Amino acid sequence: GQSLEQPSEVTAVEGAIVQINCTYQTSGFYGLSWYQQHDGGAPTFLSYNGLDGLEETGRFSSFLSRSDSYGYLLLQELQMKDSASYFCAVITGANNLFFGTGTRLTVIP
Amino acid sequence: DTEVTQTPKHLVMGMTNKKSLKCEQHMGHRAMYWYKQKAKKPPELMFVYSYEKLSINESVPSRFSPECPNSSLLNLHLHALQPEDSALYLCASSQAPTSGGYNEQFFGPGTRLTVL
Repeated sequence: GQSLEQPSEVTAVEGAIVQINCTYQTSGFYGLSWYQQHDGGAPTFLSYNGLDGLEETGRFSSFLSRSDSYGYLLLQELQMKDSASYFCAVITGANNLFFGTGTRLTVIP
Repeated sequence: DTEVTQTPKHLVMGMTNKKSLKCEQHMGHRAMYWYKQKAKKPPELMFVYSYEKLSINESVPSRFSPECPNSSLLNLHLHALQPEDSALYLCASSQAPTSGGYNEQFFGPGTRLTVL
């Protein structure tokens, strides 16, 4: 089976940097992806790591360490609109996603 | 067009009703997915269609019946549901799976289902 753990809530100040960690246990691992979901909205794709290391996309970066079964999402220059839930998800083969428990990020002024 | 549309947005049904949820995409994707999401929980995979054939059924009760009439459409037929089936039902689509790697899944806005 699969299990992914994330902190349930994180609060950070506008303009700051925040890191959301994800640890996983899974059988069959092809990579780690991150999705953002605003209240009442659809999950939207942020990043994918298939190999170890850092991937950067604008203000968002994501990191993967396969040997540690660990990844993180780094959000820089936080904006109020970044307040949302963030899910890590393992790709378990055939493009299937298994989502983590989710982290609710609140950005305060 | 990078949009996945779902209808209806909201649905209230009794336990004896039969209803259907619809999902449509025009991105040429050959894989489509149904997820169930309870409040404050992550999306949970229910079904996967690849090239219009059901490839994965994650042990979903038979009161949920998926259908993929063509490469752009995905339906979820509902019958004799229980109140605990109340949730947000999300549809997603992606390029067909390849060995290794990941093809981004694009999600629709979901149908919020309430079973009375």
